[in-house]
Amino acid sequence: GESVGLHLPTLSVQEGDNSIINCAYSNSASDYFIWYKQESGKGPQFIIDIRSNMDKRQGQRVTVLLNKTVKHLSLQIAATQPGDSAVYFCADGAYSGAGSYQLTFGKGTKLSVIP
Amino acid sequence: GAVVSQHPSWVICKSGTSVKIECRSLDFQATTMFWYRQFPKQSLMLMATSNEGSKATYEQGVEKDKFLINHASLTLSTLTVTSAHPEDSSFYICSAGAGQKTPQHFGDGTRLSIL
Repeated sequence: GESVGLHLPTLSVQEGDNSIINCAYSNSASDYFIWYKQESGKGPQFIIDIRSNMDKRQGQRVTVLLNKTVKHLSLQIAATQPGDSAVYFCADGAYSGAGSYQLTFGKGTKLSVIP
Repeated sequence: GAVVSQHPSWVICKSGTSVKIECRSLDFQATTMFWYRQFPKQSLMLMATSNEGSKATYEQGVEKDKFLINHASLTLSTLTVTSAHPEDSSFYICSAGAGQKTPQHFGDGTRLSIL
């Protein structure tokens, strides 16, 4: 993702609505993309990932879309619930051939769900 | 599966103290472990990458003599903050990957407060 800023973007949605969180990345060589959810005081939790040979991948209530042309990634959450309230980070990585992907994290988006 | 345990979760200590943080992969072998630092309302910043049995690779601007990393086994990495000062106060998070294009799985972080 694009590098750190001091202000965390926020998104407020009504419970039951769909949420869309967007992310831009800058490394053209990145071929692996991942979304994490971070609750207050905890480490990031894996949500869903996608490789560069795909443009869409679906999980349970979540969908990730990848547009490599404009270096854009989005996370869609269907029927958003109060438990989805957290900070969401995108990350991108390029495989170096030595162990796991090294990731670059985006600035994060705070999702607040209104009951 | 893919559980990463980090200990301790919170440390408060005096300036000049050295603090050791442990990161363990509980149910898989972690060929690569990563250490991040996170300031409030900001993204994760990679500090260093370590592969089991070899020296850690530090990111630019991270003092290797200040932040000592040991990855002696496939399930344990440690980060020692030597002679910690108030500016070292932060949230430190480790992650582990099983290698070969697998996602990183995160511990729940260690909140370090230096008085």
